[in-house]
Amino acid sequence: SQKIEQNSEALNIQEGKTATLTCNYTNYSPAYLQWYRQDPGRGPVFLLLIRENEKEKRKERLKVTFDTTLKQSLFHITASQPADSATYLCALDSPSSASKIIFGSGTRLSIRP
Amino acid sequence: KAGVTQTPRYLIKTRGQQVTLSCSPISGHRSVSWYQQTPGQGLQFLFEYFSETQRNKGNFPGRFSGRQFSNSRSEMNVSTLELGDSALYLCASSLDPARHQETQYFGPGTRLLVL
Repeated sequence: SQKIEQNSEALNIQEGKTATLTCNYTNYSPAYLQWYRQDPGRGPVFLLLIRENEKEKRKERLKVTFDTTLKQSLFHITASQPADSATYLCALDSPSSASKIIFGSGTRLSIRP
Repeated sequence: KAGVTQTPRYLIKTRGQQVTLSCSPISGHRSVSWYQQTPGQGLQFLFEYFSETQRNKGNFPGRFSGRQFSNSRSEMNVSTLELGDSALYLCASSLDPARHQETQYFGPGTRLLVL
């Protein structure tokens, strides 16, 4: 069955460092991969979308890579700040998917001052 | 532009009861999707509506149902509530029928507690 794994349930890093979150998937050929941020008690907020033919995408301090051979996406936050503390979800989608977008369980990121 | 709104925000019900949750999408958005989020299972897709028609459905029992109105507002209903239905129910709207290329905008969710 299709499976998405965000291999760190929680990640704690020092302010100013680069946070790197991982999203791995199996039994799936996504055309698109998205990253969302979710704060406690709130709905997810879209951050970035990367297509299967794109290797990398950037937005301000955020960078996403997508390796369809490794079946993996990496999400980087550079110069991390305490305000970046949140849960980050990756999500896969494909036009051929019978169901809708599939979400990973998320990685809870904590940035300590 | 106003975001996705969901009502109520919090709800407490007892086993066996039924519940109806409401979602108003962003103006102009015609696709509405519903998700259930629990600590154990994460975010799971329930169903999606577009132009008052259910287009996709996740793997949930028939106790979970929904509908969409002509103004794109959507409701979901859960009948015969079970303890395991306690969760955050999220609604998301998007603009384009080819939703796979579109960003989803989530509402704040309805926190349902079943006692």
